[in-house]
Amino acid sequence: EADIYQTPRYLVIGTGKKITLECSQTMGHDKMYWYQQDPGMELHLIHYSYGVNSTEKGDLSSESTVSRIRTEHFPLTLESARPSHTSQYLCATSNGIQYFGAGTRLSVL
Amino acid sequence: LAKITQPISMDSYEGQEVNITCSHNNIATNDYITWYQQFPSQGPRFIIQGYKTKVTNEVASLFIPADRKSSTLSLPRVSLSDTAVYYCLVGAFPIQGAQKLVFGQGTRLTINP
Repeated sequence: EADIYQTPRYLVIGTGKKITLECSQTMGHDKMYWYQQDPGMELHLIHYSYGVNSTEKGDLSSESTVSRIRTEHFPLTLESARPSHTSQYLCATSNGIQYFGAGTRLSVL
Repeated sequence: LAKITQPISMDSYEGQEVNITCSHNNIATNDYITWYQQFPSQGPRFIIQGYKTKVTNEVASLFIPADRKSSTLSLPRVSLSDTAVYYCLVGAFPIQGAQKLVFGQGTRLTINP
């Protein structure tokens, strides 16, 4: 199973703050993904990358941005957090099977 | 992308075998079938993947009929800790580019004592 780490696990922040959710992996997988999931609901793909310097938007529109400067690192940034961004954010890597991190639960007040 | 239908919820008891069926009528030739398990406040965990016939690992079996329009995840002798949401996914694994998976609402399995 892939070693994939997300930090922080939980984050409570005020409206208008800039935040970065970290995702790192030690498996050397080229493909990485960000999903958004509201409680009790399905996952929605918001960003993906198929390698260094590659980033694409997913199926669900998101105000967040991502970067992929290194294979092992795929951070997600919100320039100005709003209450509508409150959700769980899940990072995944893939070598044909997608492996997920534990997620970051974000609450914007 | 294949349209996926699976029961919203199921209930069973400890020690029973649980079978969750997923319908994917328009599955493509290159698509694999994958099942994930998710506990509250955690990321989905890979359970099993198959293309046709039967696949078995240490935690589950996956049965896929010849027409591949459905699949059944079988969990032998479930315990309380198997209470979770189970997602059936269908998708190809491109060598180039990113594989995009579409998650449905999943099946909420509750195991009772």
